[in-house]
Amino acid sequence: SAVISQKPSRDICQRGTSLTIQCQVDSQVTMMFWYRQQPGQSLTLIATANQGSEATYESGFVIDKFPISRPNLTFSTLTVSNMSPEDSSIYLCSVGQVNTGELFFGEGSRLTVL
Amino acid sequence: GENVEQHPSTLSVQEGDSAVIKCTYSDSASNYFPWYKQELGKGPQLIIDIRSNVGEKKDQRIAVTLNKTAKHFSLHITETQPEDSAVYFCAALRTGTASKLTFGTGTRLQVTL
Repeated sequence: SAVISQKPSRDICQRGTSLTIQCQVDSQVTMMFWYRQQPGQSLTLIATANQGSEATYESGFVIDKFPISRPNLTFSTLTVSNMSPEDSSIYLCSVGQVNTGELFFGEGSRLTVL
Repeated sequence: GENVEQHPSTLSVQEGDSAVIKCTYSDSASNYFPWYKQELGKGPQLIIDIRSNVGEKKDQRIAVTLNKTAKHFSLHITETQPEDSAVYFCAALRTGTASKLTFGTGTRLQVTL
């Protein structure tokens, strides 16, 4: 499986600010995703990061709030914009294969918004 | 879309006992069922998976069973150890399509000494 590195691993942020999370994979992958895991909850897909084009967002998530970039097959960023305490979550980068379904996760970025 | 239900939400067993976590899914076209283990402060780790062409798969102390007719699958952990304590998530997917992995709500397993 690919090695997925995320940074920052954790951060404490002030209300109204924005934070960009980076995800680096050690090999070229086709599918990259961003998930959110609210405290004590399951994983919710935010969007699919598409290389060289706009991300595909799931219902309830919009580009203005969660802009995503994916300039190449090994790197992606997720920005959490204009943060509020409700954005306090773990944000997870994942990579997967459409044909096999296997999905692998990074260690996550734990954001606390005050 | 797919809906995955997972039970129980919490499970406490004594070291050495077995643990069973059960999931049901709604989409009969789903054909891939992975299980993830998430330790405190870490990302989910894929520990075992099963595809719809088999009914059971085993890897050392963990096994997964699948009943396609009833649309449910289960994770079995034998001879539990303290390091098995974690949150476990089941998921379901129809591979080869644009459909996304749907996760269960998670089971917090506590293995006590």
